[in-house]
Amino acid sequence: SQQGEEDPQALSIQEGENATMNCSYKTSINNLQWYRQNSGRGLVHLILIRSNEREKHSGRLRVTLDTSKKSSSLLITASRAADTASYFCATEKHRDDKIIFGKGTRLHILP
Amino acid sequence: DARVTQTPRHKVTEMGQEVTMRCQPILGHNTVFWYRQTMMQGLELLAYFRNRAPLDDSGMPKDRFSAEMPDATLATLKIQPSEPRDSAVYFCASGFGTGSYGYTFGSGTRLTVV
Repeated sequence: SQQGEEDPQALSIQEGENATMNCSYKTSINNLQWYRQNSGRGLVHLILIRSNEREKHSGRLRVTLDTSKKSSSLLITASRAADTASYFCATEKHRDDKIIFGKGTRLHILP
Repeated sequence: DARVTQTPRHKVTEMGQEVTMRCQPILGHNTVFWYRQTMMQGLELLAYFRNRAPLDDSGMPKDRFSAEMPDATLATLKIQPSEPRDSAVYFCASGFGTGSYGYTFGSGTRLTVV
């Protein structure tokens, strides 16, 4: 069963613009993670935010977490062609620590 | 860089045949996940292990799927008998399971059952 749901399902932006993806989830979590998947490849871990954190940065990535709304957002600033990929949020559920993925956002960066 | 190694990368088999997929987690990682990815269902959790002990395999069809960790360097996922609906990409991921780090995924096994 899906725990996280990403929004939008697909996003196309011009190179250099910022890309924002959202994730909503249903149950209490220990942490929320974002992953990237290039076509035909495995998933790559980008960033993890714990349930007691509200914001985290890593390079051009900014993640926010609102546990009251059970939602998270991933912001990629100054997008590049190489950012074209699918992005998934994954939640580690509280008490049973399973990692459950959403269906992802397909991001396409236009040259 | 340390990698999670999955074999085979591709597998085409006939319906009814047994399929075994293998995963070598990163040395020192104590948690291993198996996922299946399809266009329709996305990434589905099949099973996961901590310190080689199975913690949850509720996502697996029990009558045909089995997952084991015979030792710390090998995790296996077996399908017997395989069916066309099992066609998917199967991923293994490993990590420390502490809730502080993410997980490292293998490149996957693309299974086609004809």
